[in-house]
Amino acid sequence: ETGVTQSPTHLIKTRGQQVTLRCSSQSGHNTVSWYQQALGQGPQFIFQYYREEENGRGNFPPRFSGLQFPNYSSELNVNALELDDSALYLCASSSTTGSQETQYFGPGTRLLVL
Amino acid sequence: GENVEQHPSTLSVQEGDSAVIKCTYSDSASNYFPWYKQELGKRPQLIIDIRSNVGEKKDQRIAVTLNKTAKHFSLHITETQPEDSAVYFCAAKGGTYKYIFGTGTRLKVLA
Repeated sequence: ETGVTQSPTHLIKTRGQQVTLRCSSQSGHNTVSWYQQALGQGPQFIFQYYREEENGRGNFPPRFSGLQFPNYSSELNVNALELDDSALYLCASSSTTGSQETQYFGPGTRLLVL
Repeated sequence: GENVEQHPSTLSVQEGDSAVIKCTYSDSASNYFPWYKQELGKRPQLIIDIRSNVGEKKDQRIAVTLNKTAKHFSLHITETQPEDSAVYFCAAKGGTYKYIFGTGTRLKVLA
């Protein structure tokens, strides 16, 4: 198992609500990426944080936002939840060593929007 | 845009046989290609990876090959076992920050 943890494990929300998901990166890792994985699909990149700054973003609307803290843990915030936001949300931490980078996933938060 | 195609979507093999999963990427700047195994309800786990300066890498029963010219990379599992049954994802990472994942292959190893 990796040292990446996420909370909560499961969450049920209603349409229009807001949600905050949390991720603690593996020790020594300074980069956190967030992914959305719909049922039966591959992970879709949401955004990445490196040293507390957003380092890049996928094709997700602005209501998906994030933060990274000085200890490199991270939050994913989703506003105005829609039914299609129901998915497994994965964070992955990594550390760039020279040109090398290996990414390890957390266990995920399963979000259900009703 | 950037894209990774993965085939087949499902694969059934007899225990002891080999399994091959293939991916094709579009971004010629891609230089890192990991493979993840995801069991039902669990996190994707890195099982092997390859970088663009290497053509092949092997770890026990698992091997990955890379053809940069054709933009293809493949996962080979030999002597398959029932515990190899899972969904396998390939991914490609280039000069940008993000990983592009394939759509997954559901591997079933029949005892």
